[in-house]
Amino acid sequence: EDQVTQSPEALRLQEGESSSLNCSYTVSGLRGLFWYRQDPGKGPEFLFTLYSAGEEKEKERLKATLTKKESFLHITAPKPEDSATYLCAVPSPGANSKLTFGKGITLSVRP
Amino acid sequence: NAGVTQTPKFQVLKTGQSMTLQCAQDMNHEYMSWYRQDPGMGLRLIHYSVGAGITDQGEVPNGYNVSRSTTEDFPLRLLSAAPSQTSVYFCASSLSMTGFGELFFGEGSRLTVL
Repeated sequence: EDQVTQSPEALRLQEGESSSLNCSYTVSGLRGLFWYRQDPGKGPEFLFTLYSAGEEKEKERLKATLTKKESFLHITAPKPEDSATYLCAVPSPGANSKLTFGKGITLSVRP
Repeated sequence: NAGVTQTPKFQVLKTGQSMTLQCAQDMNHEYMSWYRQDPGMGLRLIHYSVGAGITDQGEVPNGYNVSRSTTEDFPLRLLSAAPSQTSVYFCASSLSMTGFGELFFGEGSRLTVL
């Protein structure tokens, strides 16, 4: 069973159309949930860390939130430059220093 | 700072050949790791290191070898390349083992095995 599931696989938005990306996880005793952004042909870029339910982090048009079973990446009034693949990751269960990544959500924002 | 530098960016190998993917970071990071990224599979951890002289296996270590003789460098060796190792490889580092979730990634090395 996957520890991290992201949905939808792909999302197409019109510029200015707000939406949310979902990351659900099954690990217990969460030791952090991490969001990354990946542009085509590039390595992932770290965005946020969330540690506890109810925690929120913001950066420009992005806001990440965390509950006991899932995290959301809310995108407010997106612009075409927000187009990318967004990855979430959690520490691998029973292992130190290892991350398990979700398969990512590819976001396209049309002008 | 250059960050995390990977070489080569592109490589084509024949089945059975060996090669080394190089990774260097200039941020004095203790933690370094190698991932592979395949369509539909996401990023999967191959090997990682929490400091010079210390390495450990990740999720998909078979067919790969690593060493960490210095803080800066973490090369990944393919011992006998197979078509299943065709992938994009990313090296990533973080300041310490406790911060292993906040990774700095290189730009990737795209490997094709024929």
